[in-house]
Amino acid sequence: AQKVTQAQTEISVVEKEDVTLDCVYETRDTTYYLFWYKQPPSGELVFLIRRNSFDEQNEISGRYSWNFQKSTSSFNFTITASQVVDSAVYFCALSEVYSNYQLIWGAGTKLIIKP
Amino acid sequence: DGGITQSPKYLFRKEGQNVTLSCEQNLNHDAMYWYRQDPGQGLRLIYYSQIVNDFQKGDIAEGYSVSREKKESFPLTVTSAQKNPTAFYLCASSMSGGASYSTDTQYFGPGTRLTVL
Repeated sequence: AQKVTQAQTEISVVEKEDVTLDCVYETRDTTYYLFWYKQPPSGELVFLIRRNSFDEQNEISGRYSWNFQKSTSSFNFTITASQVVDSAVYFCALSEVYSNYQLIWGAGTKLIIKP
Repeated sequence: DGGITQSPKYLFRKEGQNVTLSCEQNLNHDAMYWYRQDPGQGLRLIYYSQIVNDFQKGDIAEGYSVSREKKESFPLTVTSAQKNPTAFYLCASSMSGGASYSTDTQYFGPGTRLTVL
């Protein structure tokens, strides 16, 4: 079965530390998409990134970077020089071409950045 | 500004009542979705709609109903048949309603927090 695992339930770091959130997925498809969303305390999910299975290049956006490795079925998210505003729950999700409709969601990782 | 609005932000329901959650988008997206989120959990799909006048059940559709009479609107009714409706409800939309819809990025509204008294 298709699955997304975020093994870290909660991570707490001090501001300015780097932190990596892990995401491991399972799929039978060769074509699929991976997503990261941020859910701040307000509740709204904010889209961060979408990556297709044919593009294994790492992505950097400011302090955010993503490491996609098909060999280990992982799509990890790193925040460099973390800030208090990064405190949120982060979700990883998987979508497969020709699958019925679903985004398959991980359980989320709660990130706490202490000042 | 384009986006997704949900109302109300907080909703209280008495046992046995039906309540309707509003979701409107002005992104001109074809597909819309309703998710339920329980504390400390991920998202579970309730219903989705690829095009106007069509919708499909998700994983946890029992006790819920939807309609899609207009492209921009996808209201969710929580019926009295839903035994444990207290949760956070999120509406989302994505551009495509066709074969590629499952891979399109979904954009979310701010959510409605429903509490049963």
